[in-house]
Amino acid sequence: QQQVKQSPQSLIVQKGGISIINCAYENTAFDYFPWYQQFPGKGPALLIAIRPDVSEKKEGRFTISFNKSAKQFSLHIMDSQPGDSATYFCAAGGNTGTASKLTFGTGTRLQVTL
Amino acid sequence: DADVTQTPRNRITKTGKRIMLECSQTKGHDRMYWYRQDPGLGLRLIYYSFDVKDINKGEISDGYSVSRQAQAKFSLSLESAIPNQTALYFCASSRGARSGYTFGSGTRLTVV
Repeated sequence: QQQVKQSPQSLIVQKGGISIINCAYENTAFDYFPWYQQFPGKGPALLIAIRPDVSEKKEGRFTISFNKSAKQFSLHIMDSQPGDSATYFCAAGGNTGTASKLTFGTGTRLQVTL
Repeated sequence: DADVTQTPRNRITKTGKRIMLECSQTKGHDRMYWYRQDPGLGLRLIYYSFDVKDINKGEISDGYSVSRQAQAKFSLSLESAIPNQTALYFCASSRGARSGYTFGSGTRLTVV
């Protein structure tokens, strides 16, 4: 059973635009929600993460929005640049039981065009 | 040197062969993981280990085995490789449950 659903599967955005990737989770034991960025030929790398005690976290052009009641969270990339072209994975984890290791979404391939 | 090193980077093997993928980390992390990446399926957990004496199956452990030789080393074995095990394999390590994972650069495995 997939516990983290990610959409869209692929996304094309013009340079300067806003990229939005959405994720939804089911396991209420999750309390840690990171996003990873993966470039071709590389492993995923941690981009930004949020805990459910806040509804938003911003780091530079990257923002996570979190809706605990809806069990949804999203990544917004402001002023998208060609160098942001990569695959993005959301993930969810927690401290106990089945949540004690990260469960990843299926990934979103982002292409930022000139 | 990379924090998490995977060897080999690429491997082509024949059906039925035994193959081992190796992973070592210099982060001092207790937790290590093996994931498999397939297009459209994301990263799926094969096995994980929270310390040297703790080994756990992930969601897709059938056909795989692991060995945690030391805190820094975690190897993945395919006892008898089959073509549908063709994939990109990633090793990762972490300090705890709510800390970021450090991934290796991956091993691209092709079973023919």
